[in-house]
Amino acid sequence: GQNIDQPTEMTATEGAIVQINCTYQTSGFNGLFWYQQHAGEAPTFLSYNVLDGLEEKGRFSSFLSRSKGYSYLLLKELQMKDSASYLCAVNNGNYQLIWGAGTKLIIKP
Amino acid sequence: GAVVSQHPSWVICKSGTSVKIECRSLDFQATTMFWYRQFPKQSLMLMATSNEGSKATYEQGVEKDKFLINHASLTLSTLTVTSAHPEDSSFYICSAALFGADYNEQFFGPGTRLTVL
Repeated sequence: GQNIDQPTEMTATEGAIVQINCTYQTSGFNGLFWYQQHAGEAPTFLSYNVLDGLEEKGRFSSFLSRSKGYSYLLLKELQMKDSASYLCAVNNGNYQLIWGAGTKLIIKP
Repeated sequence: GAVVSQHPSWVICKSGTSVKIECRSLDFQATTMFWYRQFPKQSLMLMATSNEGSKATYEQGVEKDKFLINHASLTLSTLTVTSAHPEDSSFYICSAALFGADYNEQFFGPGTRLTVL
């Protein structure tokens, strides 16, 4: 089967750093996406990794290891507005995204 | 660029009626569009993949006669929930795919919240 695992919920403090992990097992691989979703809204694109390594984009970075089936999303200098669900999704090579259940991130002052 | 719109953004209907949701790619042509459903506190669930000019491919467990999908043009796909019931109340989200040789991404519409009374 195909599955993507990520923690259900994480809590962090404003101004700190948090790392959200994602492990995957899919029939194929053509890239891994991270999306942010605020309650009641559609997901918004954060990052895309298709090669191993770290992609940095402002306060957000995403890392991929294809051999380990592992990715993480790193959020720095956390702000209250970063409170949201973070969804890991893998393109399995058939132009479909396999979605993780999402990690709810709670930011405390 | 790559903006996707959905209409309506929310709808309330009586049980037994049908509801049509439109998904449009505003500034690009999307040969493939996806329809998702999301229940509260759950992740996105793919309902069907819609390719322009052909029949949609439905995921296992999704009734094709209840959720009618039409992808008549490269910028418009519609989802019709027929004979809606309260259990169909959910957040419906479409996405339009932009594929390249080494890059692919789905751009999401803002979603439609359906409440069936």
